Amino acid sequence: KAGVTQTPRYLIKTRGQQVTLSCSPISGHRSVSWYQQTPGQGLQFLFEYFSETQRNKGNFPGRFSGRQFSNSRSEMNVSTLELGDSALYLCASSFLPSGRGTEQFFGPGTRLTVL
Amino acid sequence: DQQVKQNSPSLSVQEGRISILNCDYTNSMFDYFLWYKKYPAEGPTFLISISSIKDKNEDGRFTVFLNKSAKHLSLHIVPSQPGDSAVYFCAAKDGGSQGNLIFGKGTKLSVKP
Repeated sequence: KAGVTQTPRYLIKTRGQQVTLSCSPISGHRSVSWYQQTPGQGLQFLFEYFSETQRNKGNFPGRFSGRQFSNSRSEMNVSTLELGDSALYLCASSFLPSGRGTEQFFGPGTRLTVL
Repeated sequence: DQQVKQNSPSLSVQEGRISILNCDYTNSMFDYFLWYKKYPAEGPTFLISISSIKDKNEDGRFTVFLNKSAKHLSLHIVPSQPGDSAVYFCAAKDGGSQGNLIFGKGTKLSVKP
């Protein structure tokens, strides 16, 4: 079974631009969560989608948005990029919505650098 | 305010010895805890979990201990192997159906041959 895939793996953008990251979950998984990993803050939860609906949202500004398609693939968009948005963006999928006992499987991440 | 804290950014252990990674939390509503391992250029992979109704869970060389009164959990790796060298993240979830994972900042474990 193929794992979680994220594209692109690396991305360089300049301040003020916008970016779209893509995540394809494991086949059959309907929940996709997004996390931001930075050296100073560790992994921080961005949002979770299940069956095309946003279930939960972390404490990030409105510049960060996402969506999920009917095939469970998800995209994350960041508008008006800032230098502080440079991070590794991780996507995780699970069969059920996040909850006790639901294991999340992570993709390799997209490394975003904002210049 | 960090709800899940891993106060040791790094840990170095000799091969064959025990590795103990610690994690503290502040939210008493957390009732499920997980450990993830992350190699460079890869996403985190699930290692082991524990529910708050237990105080110990074991899986091969990995054991997680939970002390609810101290709001503390630890991951023991015995014996440690060079392939265990990675960043280990502690994560917690509250009991609500909308609960998402709250991660610590990670501890980098180096196991020396």
